[in-house]
Amino acid sequence: AQSVAQPEDQVNVAEGNPLTVKCTYSVSGNPYLFWYVQYPNRGLQFLLKYITGDNLVKGSYGFEAEFNKSQTSFHLKKPSALVSDSALYFCAVKGGSSYKLIFGSGTRLLVRP
Amino acid sequence: EPEVTQTPSHQVTQMGQEVILRCVPISNHLYFYWYRQILGQKVEFLVSFYNNEISEKSEIFDDQFSVERPDGSNFTLKIRSTKLEDSAMYFCASSEGQTNTGELFFGEGSRLTVL
Repeated sequence: AQSVAQPEDQVNVAEGNPLTVKCTYSVSGNPYLFWYVQYPNRGLQFLLKYITGDNLVKGSYGFEAEFNKSQTSFHLKKPSALVSDSALYFCAVKGGSSYKLIFGSGTRLLVRP
Repeated sequence: EPEVTQTPSHQVTQMGQEVILRCVPISNHLYFYWYRQILGQKVEFLVSFYNNEISEKSEIFDDQFSVERPDGSNFTLKIRSTKLEDSAMYFCASSEGQTNTGELFFGEGSRLTVL
């Protein structure tokens, strides 16, 4: 069965510093991986996805993610954090013939000024 | 930019009452989904819908839930007899094709409070 894990409930980082939000996955077959962001009282917004190709994927708002097949990871990164990046981040996976996305438990990112 | 819209934004209901949550997916999208999120926690899949029928549903989506696309634009989630534990944020989403080739676009959610 497909699953995704986000081991950190919260990540704290100072503005201007690099950030990493971790995600590991378990799927049968080739993984299709996604990152979404949720601001308070809002819906989920798509950030980026990995389907195939380069292991480093670039997305919205300066975020990128690195796909690592051997470590079954898809960590979200940004070289320089902004206070406005503070939000809840969800990793998601789709595998096989399923239509749905399976979301991780979410990681709250807090960027302090 | 096209978006998924949901109504109502917040609904308060008494336990045992029926609730209908409405969604207007993006017009050229073919796949529709309902997810729910309890208290800002994990986002849980409920059901997916394609070609006027359910394509997949989770264990959460039991007989008290139903979905339909009554008029070719709206996509509704009905909860027949609400329970306290149904209190959650319900998100509608749509996608152009299967989610292995494209992302899901989410609405802003409908907050359901069951008293």
